[in-house]
Amino acid sequence: GIQVEQSPPDLILQEGANSTLRCNFSDSVNNLQWFHQNPWGQLINLFYIPSGTKQNGRLSATTVATERYSLLYISSSQTTDSGVYFCAVEQGQAGTALIFGKGTTLSVSS
Amino acid sequence: DTAVSQTPKYLVTQMGNDKSIKCEQNLGHDTMYWYKQDSKKFLKIMFSYNNKELIINETVPNRFSPKSPDKAHLNLHINSLELGDSAVYFCASSPQGGWEKLFFGSGTQLSVL
Repeated sequence: GIQVEQSPPDLILQEGANSTLRCNFSDSVNNLQWFHQNPWGQLINLFYIPSGTKQNGRLSATTVATERYSLLYISSSQTTDSGVYFCAVEQGQAGTALIFGKGTTLSVSS
Repeated sequence: DTAVSQTPKYLVTQMGNDKSIKCEQNLGHDTMYWYKQDSKKFLKIMFSYNNKELIINETVPNRFSPKSPDKAHLNLHINSLELGDSAVYFCASSPQGGWEKLFFGSGTQLSVL
C-alpha cells in the first residue's frame, strides 16, 4: 500500500516563528488533506489540496503531485497552533479511504 | 450546530462487555467512516459506508460490527471487549467517498479495564 512519511516528527517553536512541515508519499494520489489535532483531541480539516497551493490566514499548503510531496507552512506561530499535524492521502480507487501519516507534533511556547 | 457528533465521549468498561458508539452527521454527506487512533496517535481506517452500503472493511476483528440505519448515521458495536481495544474511535463523513474534505467527530475514548 501507499506509504506516507511526515517530517519532522517533533517541532518546538517560540511564538512568532515560522515553520514548514513536510509530507512525502510513495505513489500518485488523487486526494491529499492536512489536519490539525488540537491538545483536546479534536481533528480539524485544514486543507483539501491534491495539487497546487492554498492559503488560509497564517496557514498555507502546497502539493507538488508529480514529485509526491506536500508542504504545510505556518507563519507567525501562536500557542493555539500547538498539537499534531497530520497529512492524509488517498489513491482514489474504489474502496479506498484516506491513509494517514504518523504526524508532526508541534509545540509553540510563549 | 455540530456537524458530526458521536456519543459517548468517554466509555470505561470491563473486559468481556459489549458496547456501542453512535455517530450522526447533519452535513448531508453520502459517506461515513470509523477510524481508530491508538496510543501513539496513529489513525487507521476501520470501516466506510456509502449511502448505507459497506464499502471498506479493513482487517478488523469480527467483534466489531458497524451498522448504518440511514446515510446520516453510522454506529459501531463492539462485542467481548478486550484490553487491546482501548483507543480513541473517530467517526467521520465526506460528501462523496472522500473526494472532498473529510470531517471528524470529536472522538470516543474507550478504556477497557
